[in-house]
Amino acid sequence: EAQVTQNPRYLITVTGKKLTVTCSQNMNHEYMSWYRQDPGLGLRQIYYSMNVEVTDKGDVPEGYKVSRKEKRNFPLILESPSPNQTSLYFCASRISSGGTIYETQYFGPGTRLLVL
Amino acid sequence: GENVEQHPSTLSVQEGDSAVIKCTYSDSASNYFPWYKQELGKGPQLIIDIRSNVGEKKDQRIAVTLNKTAKHFSLHITETQPEDSAVYFCAARTPFRDDKIIFGKGTRLHILP
Repeated sequence: EAQVTQNPRYLITVTGKKLTVTCSQNMNHEYMSWYRQDPGLGLRQIYYSMNVEVTDKGDVPEGYKVSRKEKRNFPLILESPSPNQTSLYFCASRISSGGTIYETQYFGPGTRLLVL
Repeated sequence: GENVEQHPSTLSVQEGDSAVIKCTYSDSASNYFPWYKQELGKGPQLIIDIRSNVGEKKDQRIAVTLNKTAKHFSLHITETQPEDSAVYFCAARTPFRDDKIIFGKGTRLHILP
């Protein structure tokens, strides 16, 4: 079954304690993204990767890091979490075609993070 | 860059009635417009999409229309049912630059019994 998995699904942590949210996809997609969803603000892209070892900032990258060492995995790292990073996080993946193929984007189930 | 505006932010309709959600986009180069449905506790899922060379697309009770001149696109849900209650996101994709998908802020649709 084609899917994007995220772990953990729920996380409560304290300010300053480094954490990693894992993301994995089994569709051999080149393009992977992280989004955060906040009430009234919709889905905002944090970071994206167009292929292995290629990452770039999205619209709200401050306080986050990512890496793309393998095609299937795209972890999100919060080096020193703060309360304003309390949010619902989604990983997503799709084919990267430069716009020549209209391929849907698949989302993971989400990770709800609370930073105290 | 692309900007997508979505209205309304909340919509309540009686079961069986129709619901319409409207979006506008700013970049005339955008050529693909997906709509996502997000149910409680889940990630967004694609429900219908439209390409810029098509004016309308229908899939059972769901239809999407696109007006390229006005840079408007809309989602229409007919004969609404309780399972249509969810958050809906429109999006626009701009090819060839950074190939990004930009989302609207979402519409929370309530189907009233």
